[in-house]
Amino acid sequence: NAGVTQTPKFQVLKTGQSMTLQCAQDMNHNSMYWYRQDPGMGLRLIYYSASEGTTDKGEVPNGYNVSRLNKREFSLRLESAAPSQTSVYFCASREAGYTFGSGTRLTVV
Amino acid sequence: QKEVEQNSGPLSVPEGAIASLNCTYSDRVSQSFFWYRQYSGKSPELIMSIYSNGDKEDGRFTAQLNKASQYVSLLIRDSQPSDSATYLCAPWGTNAGKSTFGDGTTLTVKP
Repeated sequence: NAGVTQTPKFQVLKTGQSMTLQCAQDMNHNSMYWYRQDPGMGLRLIYYSASEGTTDKGEVPNGYNVSRLNKREFSLRLESAAPSQTSVYFCASREAGYTFGSGTRLTVV
Repeated sequence: QKEVEQNSGPLSVPEGAIASLNCTYSDRVSQSFFWYRQYSGKSPELIMSIYSNGDKEDGRFTAQLNKASQYVSLLIRDSQPSDSATYLCAPWGTNAGKSTFGDGTTLTVKP
């Protein structure tokens, strides 16, 4: 069981560059989430998808877009990266409790 | 006010002691809770779930839920250095676009 797979694990971007973080789950969960976690801080919800075909904003959606490509995949896109988006990004899916991916460590310089 | 508040840390206990981690919540609708453990540099992992009032034991871990007091706790008996991590609690249920996680309590178990 792979669970939740995120790619890439590490990424360095220059300010203004764009990138897409990929996430896939193999547990047939309906709900998927993108969180960011800054050093010493809690998890903040960026976007979530309660089911295939739907997406909703979380607490900190500015500067991000998402796509729920199908039931398995939920991607996060940064259109024009900013240093404030330097963070660790976690994708998660949920049936009852959350299952998290291993995270993407993103640095924007 | 956050939906979930955890006792401020960090919490430090000697090896072999009982560590007590607490969480209060504001949403009276919440019926079930989950505890997650996050090692430094790693993603959170689910370690305990509790769905009804009372205690639930799993090895050295005991989760306690008191719905009347809107309080949930995690007790770790015979604490080991390998238990050193940040512990997060979160209710089950819709989050209306907000993170359901508390900010976490960092536990250090000293040998």
